[in-house]
Amino acid sequence: DTEVTQTPKHLVMGMTNKKSLKCEQHMGHRAMYWYKQKAKKPPELMFVYSYEKLSINESVPSRFSPECPNSSLLNLHLHALQPEDSALYLCASSPPTVSGNTIYFGEGSWLTVV
Amino acid sequence: GENVEQHPSTLSVQEGDSAVIKCTYSDSASNYFPWYKQELGKRPQLIIDIRSNVGEKKDQRIAVTLNKTAKHFSLHITETQPEDSAVYFCAGTRKAAGNKLTFGGGTRVLVKP
Repeated sequence: DTEVTQTPKHLVMGMTNKKSLKCEQHMGHRAMYWYKQKAKKPPELMFVYSYEKLSINESVPSRFSPECPNSSLLNLHLHALQPEDSALYLCASSPPTVSGNTIYFGEGSWLTVV
Repeated sequence: GENVEQHPSTLSVQEGDSAVIKCTYSDSASNYFPWYKQELGKRPQLIIDIRSNVGEKKDQRIAVTLNKTAKHFSLHITETQPEDSAVYFCAGTRKAAGNKLTFGGGTRVLVKP
């Protein structure tokens, strides 16, 4: 089973709102990711958690705040977003391997900022 | 850091014909190259991958070839079907990159019946 589950599927929020995206996997993967994808573009890495510790932050604005409560869960807290932040947010996970990591994506959360 | 370029950006083929997408990478230490298929409104799905100790890998109608010397890899789809229509992304990474995949720009494939 290569299932990464994301909620909500769709989210509309105002620029002053605080909301969260949630991600869950039960495959025993120890790396989890947040990607942002705009239309007709490849996924763009935002954050990587490895063994529940933040290992990569791709200079993401502080209005995006990741959290990894445990090895199965990953959250992305959203606050004071801008309309240009509207995109598909993809959670992903991967098992630890000797070389290279097979990354499995969730269905994504479609975010619209109004 | 790694840079991955993908060509062509769009590809239109007749059903039953073959499709080939090519990617080049810049980091000679990259050792893992996955390909993802993304249908409209859906998640990217891994369709095939190749590691640097292998030159070619095949899975039914899909194959990937890797040329480490030239630093390029290609996706080959034979006997294309309408359900192959999607955007395809190549990517590359190496373990020392800390689980960071670098994606190509994508190829929109349209299979005409």
